[in-house]
Amino acid sequence: GEQVEQLPSILRVQEGSSASINCSYEDSASNYFPWYKQEPGENPKLIIDIRSNMERKQIQELIVLLDKKAKRFSLHITDTQPGDSAMYFCAACPSSFSKLVFGQGTSLSVVP
Amino acid sequence: GGIITQTPKFLIGQEGQKLTLKCQQNFNHDTMYWYRQDSGKGLRLIYYSITENDLQKGDLSEGYDASREKKSSFSLTVTSAQKNEMAVFLCASSTDSGNTLYFGEGSRLIVV
Repeated sequence: GEQVEQLPSILRVQEGSSASINCSYEDSASNYFPWYKQEPGENPKLIIDIRSNMERKQIQELIVLLDKKAKRFSLHITDTQPGDSAMYFCAACPSSFSKLVFGQGTSLSVVP
Repeated sequence: GGIITQTPKFLIGQEGQKLTLKCQQNFNHDTMYWYRQDSGKGLRLIYYSITENDLQKGDLSEGYDASREKKSSFSLTVTSAQKNEMAVFLCASSTDSGNTLYFGEGSRLIVV
């Protein structure tokens, strides 16, 4: 089945700089790639997603890139703020009816 | 909007005990999921259900049972609690797989 690798597991950046999280997947049939943010003590919430018919998507300071050939996708947070500090999970969904497979998570800390 | 309610928020049990977590959603979603969250290991799928009375095994189903008694509820049973099972259990629902997951607040299992 699908497996998703997510790196780095811990990321610390200066406020105002960019943060990047990278994920890779194995199943070339996967066609849906969401990103979830989990703040301390809260449940994970969807922040942005991309489908396989796109290579790039941006919502405000969030940019996701998808490279289907390399089976990689990434989340870039530009102009990071302390409120961006959280756990971030990537996921992939194979094309046949199946379930989302999550990466291991990245703990992002934005320091002043 | 809808809500997913997990009960209890904390479940304390003894080693070897059978313990049950409950989840209710009022989104009228078809698909419901149980994930286990361990630090550094992301979200791992235990069971999911695509409709009432349906049950599908995830990657981590051994040692667990689940039941989808009706469309709005999905329960998870730890058949014999072990100390290495102390984790947060997250229930989620979606209209179908590949769409947005809405998570509950989580239930923390403590085994003494």
